Amino acid sequence: DIVMTQSPDSLAVSLGERAAFNCKSSQSLLSRSNNKNYLAWFQQKPGQPPKLIISWASSRELGVPDRFSGSGSGTDFTLTISSLQGEDAALYYCQQYYETPRTFGQGTKVEI
Amino acid sequence: QVQLVESGGGLVKPGGSLRLSCSASGFTFGGYSMSWIRQAPGKGLQWISYISHTSTYTSYADSVKGRFTISRDNTKNSLFLQMNRLTDEDTAVYYCARDGPATDDTWGQGTLVTVSS
Repeated sequence: DIVMTQSPDSLAVSLGERAAFNCKSSQSLLSRSNNKNYLAWFQQKPGQPPKLIISWASSRELGVPDRFSGSGSGTDFTLTISSLQGEDAALYYCQQYYETPRTFGQGTKVEI
Repeated sequence: QVQLVESGGGLVKPGGSLRLSCSASGFTFGGYSMSWIRQAPGKGLQWISYISHTSTYTSYADSVKGRFTISRDNTKNSLFLQMNRLTDEDTAVYYCARDGPATDDTWGQGTLVTVSS
């Protein structure tokens, strides 16, 4: 199974400041056939299901604010929130969908 | 709007069985693969099973293989998870999710399964 490791486990960021956290996979998520990285980011708030915010490592889902951006390729990926808003306090999970079983990182908790 | 609603969770004794359902609406259910993902209390997310849109292909996490069975009824816009030989490690909120163009793009609110004597 592909192991996903996120860092840090938690971080505290002031409103308006930039937040960035990482996800590393135990093997490459880059497909040679279509040159796409099979990496997604989910946001989960307390009592709610996860919400897909980024797919293909860097593609924002419809309706996701442009302060969220994903980057990286191969085995190393980053989610950046350019100017943190109060509603961004949440748990963030990365997921690989390169192969089954799909696996998630352990999560990064973003606090204000 | 696109909606998934899980049901069937509850309290069950170790060794028991439970069948979860997921009712879909707002999209062409038969055109999408589906997954079950669970989250133990206070823990992270664990993908557990996947079924292709025509049920041709299914896949399971090792932790549930041989005990859980995923199925679907496209005529009733429904997804199912039959869970047998449950243990306390299966205690979790179980989510169904639609497999979009990339991955799990729509999730239900989840149903809680508690395995306890």
